[in-house]
Amino acid sequence: QVQLQESGPGLVKPSQTLSLTCTVSGGSIRSGGYYWSWVRQHPGMGLEWIGYIYPSGSGTTHCHPSVHRLVTISVDTSKNQFSLKVSSVTAADTAVYYCARLGALVWDFDLWGRGTLVTVSS
Amino acid sequence: QSVLTQPPSVSGAPGQRVTISCTGSSSNIGAGFAVNWYQQVPGTAPKLLIYDDTNRPSGVPERFSGSKSGTSASLAITGLLAEDEADYYCQSYDSILSGVIFGGGTKLTVL
Repeated sequence: QVQLQESGPGLVKPSQTLSLTCTVSGGSIRSGGYYWSWVRQHPGMGLEWIGYIYPSGSGTTHCHPSVHRLVTISVDTSKNQFSLKVSSVTAADTAVYYCARLGALVWDFDLWGRGTLVTVSS
Repeated sequence: QSVLTQPPSVSGAPGQRVTISCTGSSSNIGAGFAVNWYQQVPGTAPKLLIYDDTNRPSGVPERFSGSKSGTSASLAITGLLAEDEADYYCQSYDSILSGVIFGGGTKLTVL
């Protein structure tokens, strides 16, 4: 079955760029009907949608307005991966970051990675 | 502050029924966008519990059910078990934000 796995540094210095990759296994990232997404959860807090990418064509992306200037989501279909970059991070970006598959019909996250904790600290 | 409003906590004894509400507005739930529910045991990833208002993914017990009316939705859990103790989140799509929205989450305590 399809599985997602996040990877990347667990510690990032303030003002630097946070970079994470999500590897999709057991299925193609090009399979239609899904957006590939990032969601984060600050310590002890709720879930926050960051953005998604649709791999077809040039790779349509859409991000939450509160973060879109700092966030880049990209896809590498040859590696069956998609990535997240958050620039100019601060302590407020410390969170568990999840990659997830988002259904295009009813906007449901039906598959999730295990999540990875990223701490922003000097 | 979340676009979707949930009670911070609910509780119930084993075997009882509890409901968790999720209140939105005319740009999300009221506009007809689907409501989805997730269960998150602390330290683990969220798990899809209910999708498209009322549907259960394969493997989710019938004890869990969803409903929607107007600008609100509800998750009901019957026959509470100790293993149901977790955080529950509602989620939908918002046409003003043009993106995904979550509720703030509800902590279920099984007494």
